[in-house]
Amino acid sequence: KNQVEQSPQSLIILEGKNCTLQCNYTVSPFSNLRWYKQDTGRGPVSLTIMTFSENTKSNGRYTATLDADTKQSSLHITASQLSDSASYICVVSAETGTYKYIFGTGTRLKVLA
Amino acid sequence: GAVVSQHPSWVICKSGTSVKIECRSLDFQATTMFWYRQFPKQSLMLMATSNEGSKATYEQGVEKDKFLINHASLTLSTLTVTSAHPEDSSFYICSASGTSGRRGEQFFGPGTRLTVL
Repeated sequence: KNQVEQSPQSLIILEGKNCTLQCNYTVSPFSNLRWYKQDTGRGPVSLTIMTFSENTKSNGRYTATLDADTKQSSLHITASQLSDSASYICVVSAETGTYKYIFGTGTRLKVLA
Repeated sequence: GAVVSQHPSWVICKSGTSVKIECRSLDFQATTMFWYRQFPKQSLMLMATSNEGSKATYEQGVEKDKFLINHASLTLSTLTVTSAHPEDSSFYICSASGTSGRRGEQFFGPGTRLTVL
């Protein structure tokens, strides 16, 4: 069964600190993996996308890694800001005709001043 | 580019009434549109997939007669919640895939908050 699991479920950190979010998946055949940021009451916004051959991708203070062998990904946030408070969703796309997205459970991040 | 809009952004209705939510791709052609529902503190749940000009494909457990989906053009899809009840209150998000971005890439709308009294 195709599944995407994320940890931790929620996280509270102080402004300026770094944090790392984890994503484990069992999706086959694998096409790509995306990290999204979703602010409360808004739609998801793409942060990074990685294919099988890519093991790291950066977008400003966000750096995503992918280990296709262990089927794990991480999202590292550097020097967190209050505006980073949001849900972060790991989404894996399967290489099927419809490219259906398989959503992770999300990590709710709260950055405190 | 690749902007998706939704209207309305929020709606409050009485139980038993029907509500229509629009999803538009503003700067690309959306051959496929997806409708999701999201409950508080949960991730997005796919309700249905629609291809332009075809009937929507509904996920297991989603009532097609209750959630009517129309995808009559390459830039517009609508979701109508018929005879809405309080348990239908949720955050509805659409996404569009087509002539923008990577193959199969979905671009998400801002969501519509539905509250049924």
